Amino acid sequence: QMQLVQSGAEMKQPGASVKVSCKASTYLFTTYNFHWVRQAPGQGLEWIGLVNAYTGETRRAQKFQRRVTLTRDTSRATVYMDLSSLGSEDTAVYYCAKSQRYCGGGSCYSAFGMDVWGQGTAVTVYS
Amino acid sequence: EILLTQSPGTLSLSPGERATLSCRASQSIHNRYLAWYQQKPGQAPRLVIFSASSRASGIADRFSGSGSGTDFTLSISRLEPEDFAVYYCQQLGSSPITFGQGTRLEIK
Repeated sequence: QMQLVQSGAEMKQPGASVKVSCKASTYLFTTYNFHWVRQAPGQGLEWIGLVNAYTGETRRAQKFQRRVTLTRDTSRATVYMDLSSLGSEDTAVYYCAKSQRYCGGGSCYSAFGMDVWGQGTAVTVYS
Repeated sequence: EILLTQSPGTLSLSPGERATLSCRASQSIHNRYLAWYQQKPGQAPRLVIFSASSRASGIADRFSGSGSGTDFTLSISRLEPEDFAVYYCQQLGSSPITFGQGTRLEIK
């Protein structure tokens, strides 16, 4: 069973940036889409964006468009999320997760759920 | 953006009872893109149902999903103590991917 292992907890000051990594234990890395989802304390799940591990194409929720950079390194089977201009509202647990891709009609979509999740990375923004 | 509304917000039941959780979408969703997750405190979400009605690997057969279009349901036929958790529905077919706000399933 594939595993996703994320980098450790981070504490940042307002205005700083944070980079979280997520390493996949699979040689099929480029087969999947990798997503970033966050959960603020006591709140629900919020999708940040995804990276297509094959093409490197990314999609981001509009809320994060200007602040988040999603990348992947195929040689390391690792994806990264870089979030800038941190504020207290960014205090949350950040998860990576993988999904299959379904392609049809000239487009590809994430499909069949996010079946493997990382352990989560707690990011605390404090002043 | 597709809005997913889950009901009820909290469901209080006893072990052995049947649970029925609802997820309503603001636009029609192809079944392929509807999933359900279980989350326990301090843990990452766990995929329970994908493609609206397919059980994920390792999920007990007391869990079932149904529905189409804009109305989807997660059912748990006979609640076990380990089933009490928060459940989220999710759509992946339209960007941004969205989650419902969650249903908390608690022991009565």
